[in-house]
Amino acid sequence: SQTIHQWPATLVQPVGSPLSLECTVEGTSNPNLYWYRQAAGRGLQLLFYSVGIGQISSEVPQNLSASRPQDRQFILSSKKLLLSDSGFYLCAWSVVGQRTSYEQYFGPGTRLTVT
Amino acid sequence: AQTVTQSQPEMSVQEAETVTLSCTYDTSESNYYLFWYKQPPSRQMILVIRQEAYKQQNATENRFSVNFQKAAKSFSLKISDSQLGDTAMYFCAFMKHVQSGYALNFGKGTSLLVTP
Repeated sequence: SQTIHQWPATLVQPVGSPLSLECTVEGTSNPNLYWYRQAAGRGLQLLFYSVGIGQISSEVPQNLSASRPQDRQFILSSKKLLLSDSGFYLCAWSVVGQRTSYEQYFGPGTRLTVT
Repeated sequence: AQTVTQSQPEMSVQEAETVTLSCTYDTSESNYYLFWYKQPPSRQMILVIRQEAYKQQNATENRFSVNFQKAAKSFSLKISDSQLGDTAMYFCAFMKHVQSGYALNFGKGTSLLVTP
């Protein structure tokens, strides 16, 4: 069976500090990978998605970046955090192929507080 | 633009009763997928049910069912025999095409409280 991991679970960082959030998927190959952000009391906003190693697309311009160094690893980074970067970050994966029904499966999330 | 609207920010239902959560969407595509996700207090996003637009039959998963009205672009979720564990945020989502693939476009959610 497939599982998705995210770490850390909780993070408190000062403004201007760097950020690295990691997501890994087990039990599947060549998944599509996604980073979403959920601000307090709001829905999910797509930040980045990846269809393969080294292939990253951004939906929303920001001071965040993403990388996919391995097939099942997706990393969200920032060189200098802003207060507005606070939120709940969710990683998700989906099946690629003709039989896909497009649903996505989510990790447990990382709660980021920028102080 | 492909938008998803959930007009009920909060709802409450008594245990064992039935509740319906509303969702409308806007798209020009003819074939697409719709989803309901549940986010309990743990904040883990859990897929509840999916609907393929080309299928006229409404999807059902145990106590959860949808009323899919394609012409009206409406996709409501019915929860029967509500249980305390159904207390959660519920998000309606629409599959959208992006530059090199696809992603989900979410509504803002409905907070459902199931009371004893």
